[in-house]
Amino acid sequence: AQSVTQPDIHITVSEGASLELRCNYSYGATPYLFWYVQSPGQGLQLLLKYFSGDTLVQGIKGFEAEFKRSQSSFNLRKPSVHWSDAAEYFCAVGYNFNKFYFGSGTKLNVKP
Amino acid sequence: SAVISQKPSRDICQRGTSLTIQCQVDSQVTMMFWYRQQPGQSLTLIATANQGSEATYESGFVIDKFPISRPNLTFSTLTVSNMSPEDSSIYLCSVEVLNEQYFGPGTRLTVT
Repeated sequence: AQSVTQPDIHITVSEGASLELRCNYSYGATPYLFWYVQSPGQGLQLLLKYFSGDTLVQGIKGFEAEFKRSQSSFNLRKPSVHWSDAAEYFCAVGYNFNKFYFGSGTKLNVKP
Repeated sequence: SAVISQKPSRDICQRGTSLTIQCQVDSQVTMMFWYRQQPGQSLTLIATANQGSEATYESGFVIDKFPISRPNLTFSTLTVSNMSPEDSSIYLCSVEVLNEQYFGPGTRLTVT
């Protein structure tokens, strides 16, 4: 069965510090992988996606993620966090680009 | 891209009643998807709705509880029937356009 694990429920980082959000998946085939961000009262916004090719993918807002097949991971990173990055982040995997399985989410708090 | 609107944005309902949530997309799409996000939890796919056919429900969701209509390529409704407090959630619709999935802003439902 497919599953997505985001082991960190809450993370607090200082503004300007680097960030890494973890995502591990269990999947029976080559996955499509996504990271979404959800700000309070807002809908989900796609940050980046991976489905083939270069395992390091660049997204919007300065985010990047690296697919590591050997570790079944797709961790999200940002070198310098801004206060506006405070939100909840969801990792998702899918057969294709529509039927997704989501992780439980990681809430990011940014300290001034 | 796709712009998705949902109505209502939020509602407070009494147990035993039903609520119909509308989802409107600004372009024609083949598949529309309905997700549920329970308080403090991640998103769970309820069903996939194709125009002109019965919706396909995920494990744990049934048509009698969550009937879905898909009358045309830009519109869908999800009804939450015979509501109980456990149905209090955010309900989101989503669509796939050119290999990207877009989400609506969600309908926040509280059942008292």
